Amino acid sequence: EVQLVESGGGLVQPGGSLQLSCAASGFTFSASTIHWVRQASGKGLEWVGRIRSQGYSYATAYGASVKGRFTISRDDSKNTAYLQMNSLKTEDTAVYYCTRYPGDRMAFDIWGQGTVVTVSS
Amino acid sequence: YELTQPPSVSVSPGQTASITCSGDKLGDKYASWYQQKPGQSPVLVIYQDRKRPSGIPERFSGSNSGNTATLTISETQAVDEADYYCQAWDSSVVFGGGSKLTVL
Repeated sequence: EVQLVESGGGLVQPGGSLQLSCAASGFTFSASTIHWVRQASGKGLEWVGRIRSQGYSYATAYGASVKGRFTISRDDSKNTAYLQMNSLKTEDTAVYYCTRYPGDRMAFDIWGQGTVVTVSS
Repeated sequence: YELTQPPSVSVSPGQTASITCSGDKLGDKYASWYQQKPGQSPVLVIYQDRKRPSGIPERFSGSNSGNTATLTISETQAVDEADYYCQAWDSSVVFGGGSKLTVL
């Protein structure tokens, strides 16, 4: 079964750090571009960032609201992508999804179930 | 770059629902559409303006021209009630604000 499974969410204080994981199965993870998208409660979808495959030198890009604080990485040997979140703010509270972006579709065709991050004192 | 959607759209069962997504020269880009039901992850329903992934009913269709992309749901059913988001690329990924489709 083709799927993505996020983990690592939880409660963290403002200014703290958290690392999310995105485990893939059922497809060739190493050739895939993986994105992170978040959604605050009752709000819309917000793009966080992405990491491309080895063929594209693992290039990363980030949304303006997280640039400089969040880092995306991957371990193809573990079929897992990561989202390292530092200097967290209350406005980072959201459900975080990882999603696959195949170039031949140019759309997000597989989504994980999401993991909840709450930033609060 | 911004994509603008109506916050809400209402339709009667069996009728056709149209959800629009507006952005500067959006027709020059590929638009995708996602369906999200409460408590669930988004699901891709239309990609590259008008293509349907396998498993998506034929009553879902899309178009994109000028400054507007449109998701059309024919013979709308109660199960189609959900939030719908458009998405495109500019210098980065952009999502519309979402439209809540109510079937009543």
